[in-house]
Amino acid sequence: AQSVSQHNHHVILSEAASLELGCNYSYGGTVNLFWYVQYPGQHLQLLLKYFSGDPLVKGIKGFEAEFIKSKFSFNLRKPSVQWSDTAEYFCAVNLDSNYQLIWGAGTKLIIKP
Amino acid sequence: DSGVTQTPKHLITATGQRVTLRCSPRSGDLSVYWYQQSLDQGLQFLIQYYNGEERAKGNILERFSAQQFPDLHSELNLSSLELGDSALYFCASSVGSSGELFFGEGSRLTVL
Repeated sequence: AQSVSQHNHHVILSEAASLELGCNYSYGGTVNLFWYVQYPGQHLQLLLKYFSGDPLVKGIKGFEAEFIKSKFSFNLRKPSVQWSDTAEYFCAVNLDSNYQLIWGAGTKLIIKP
Repeated sequence: DSGVTQTPKHLITATGQRVTLRCSPRSGDLSVYWYQQSLDQGLQFLIQYYNGEERAKGNILERFSAQQFPDLHSELNLSSLELGDSALYFCASSVGSSGELFFGEGSRLTVL
């Protein structure tokens, strides 16, 4: 069955540290890729998305992600995190544009001020 | 503001009771999705409707049901409530099939 793996369930960083959150999926066909973020006490919102074209995509708040097809990966990065980045981050994959999303388990990110 | 509206925002009820959660999708979005989020189970997909028809089912219990009405709003009905049903219930909508979802602010259900 298709699945999405997020390697780290909890990440703790200090402000100004660099961030990389891993996401791997298991599907050989066409995918649309997403990172969603949920700030404490809030709903999920789209951070960035990849449909096609340049595999390096930029999202809101300085986040970017790189799609590496050969590795079935879509890792999220930010060069310098801020305390306000404390949130839970979800990777999600849409297969063949079939309306459904397969979700990773989420990564809780805590930034120490 | 995502444009997806959910009511009520908070709901406290007792075990064995029945509640209805309501969702209005963004204008123009035909698909509505329901998710449950709890501390122990994380984010769980429940069900999806497209233009009034059920399109996909996830981990939805038999005690739960949903529908999407002609005006595209959706309701999630939870019955015979148990303590373990306490959770945040999110509704999301989308216009196409790409998987890009817009989430409402959620309905927090507490079962006592």
